[in-house]
Amino acid sequence: ETGVTQSPTHLIKTRGQQVTLRCSSQSGHNTVSWYQQALGQGPQFIFQYYREEENGRGNFPPRFSGLQFPNYSSELNVNALELDDSALYLCASSGGTGRPNTGELFFGEGSRLTVL
Amino acid sequence: KQEVTQIPAALSVPEGENLVLNCSFTDSAIYNLQWFRQDPGKGLTSLLLIQSSQREQTSGRLNASLDKSSGRSTLYIAASQPGDSATYLCAVRRTGGAGSYQLTFGKGTKLSVIP
Repeated sequence: ETGVTQSPTHLIKTRGQQVTLRCSSQSGHNTVSWYQQALGQGPQFIFQYYREEENGRGNFPPRFSGLQFPNYSSELNVNALELDDSALYLCASSGGTGRPNTGELFFGEGSRLTVL
Repeated sequence: KQEVTQIPAALSVPEGENLVLNCSFTDSAIYNLQWFRQDPGKGLTSLLLIQSSQREQTSGRLNASLDKSSGRSTLYIAASQPGDSATYLCAVRRTGGAGSYQLTFGKGTKLSVIP
């Protein structure tokens, strides 16, 4: 069973640029959610995708957007990067088809974004 | 709005000691509670999941309890080892319909086990 994979692992951008982060969900999971974790803080919920539609969003501005594809993989896009966007971005997958759904979330290793 | 607090923020213990990490949450209407481990600069590893109808879950040297009415959970680690050194995060999932997987996290407890 393949776990949650994210790419890239590290990247550096400058203020005002745009970034796309990618996530492949764990095999059999149909729901993907994204979290932002600033240094020394707990992860903060950005949004969640289910059946290719956003069905939950945290307190993040519209310049944070996403996509989910038919194979349940997902992208997080951030436009007009700000210094405060520097963080670890975590993707989690959950749910599933053909198996009992415990509601447990499984996370990837994250993408470390630095905005200069 | 759900708030999750973890105390202490940091803990240092000698190897072999048993220890307890605490987590409290303000809204008892939760679907489940999950404990995670995070190594520096890494992602989250799920340790234990407790459904709202359960009182505790065990996995190896780890035991997590849940008292939903008082808004508390504890993670008990028996016979601690240096390899247990990491940050431990508690997260609660609110009740909701299908697809509601939003977790609210605490800031974590940073554990150091001294050989």
